[in-house]
Amino acid sequence: EVQLVESGGGLVQPGGSLRLSCVVSGFTFSSYWMSWVRQAPGKGLEWVANIQQDGSEKYYVDSVKGRFTISRDNAKNSLYLQLNSLTAEDTALYYCARGHLGEDYWGQGTLVTVSS
Amino acid sequence: DVVMTQSPLSLPVTLGQPASISCRSSQSLVNSDGNTYLNWFQQRPGQSPRRLIHKVSNRDSGVPDRFSGSGSGTDFTLKISRVEAEDVGVYYCMQATHWPWTFGQGTKVEIK
Repeated sequence: EVQLVESGGGLVQPGGSLRLSCVVSGFTFSSYWMSWVRQAPGKGLEWVANIQQDGSEKYYVDSVKGRFTISRDNAKNSLYLQLNSLTAEDTALYYCARGHLGEDYWGQGTLVTVSS
Repeated sequence: DVVMTQSPLSLPVTLGQPASISCRSSQSLVNSDGNTYLNWFQQRPGQSPRRLIHKVSNRDSGVPDRFSGSGSGTDFTLKISRVEAEDVGVYYCMQATHWPWTFGQGTKVEIK
């Protein structure tokens, strides 16, 4: 069974940082692109970033470029998202998802709240 | 960025009746590789999104055959042939042809 489990969310002050993690199981992690997608409270979905199988290619939505960094550790079946210089507009449920041309499996999300 | 416009944004339907959601893109979604990366997702209340359809019309494993996708270029449709209670939720189209990937605003399907 494919599983994706996110963690690392929480309450952080504006300007602060967080590191999100996603541990996967049930498939060969190193064979797939992986993505992060977020959803602000009561709002729609926004693709954030994705990363190629070996980590050599990474893409970001403009609103997070230079502040967020996606990475992965294939030995640990883990995907990461480093969030820096956070603002209130980054408050959202962050989903880890498999794939990059239409993500087919999603985690349950981890909530990031940016507030003073 | 490619703008994805869904209509309607709210869709009250009667159980057993059909439903249709439109999704239009601001640019053609035909990729240079010949594929059209238009996907449909369902998000039930309190749940994570679930992919229903990929590349316009390919139903994902386990998705009931009452769901179907069609369209080409910039104009796409998700149809539910007979709505069931479990279909309540928000439906999103999403394009993965042009960076950055973008989603439609979502269409909320509810039972009348």
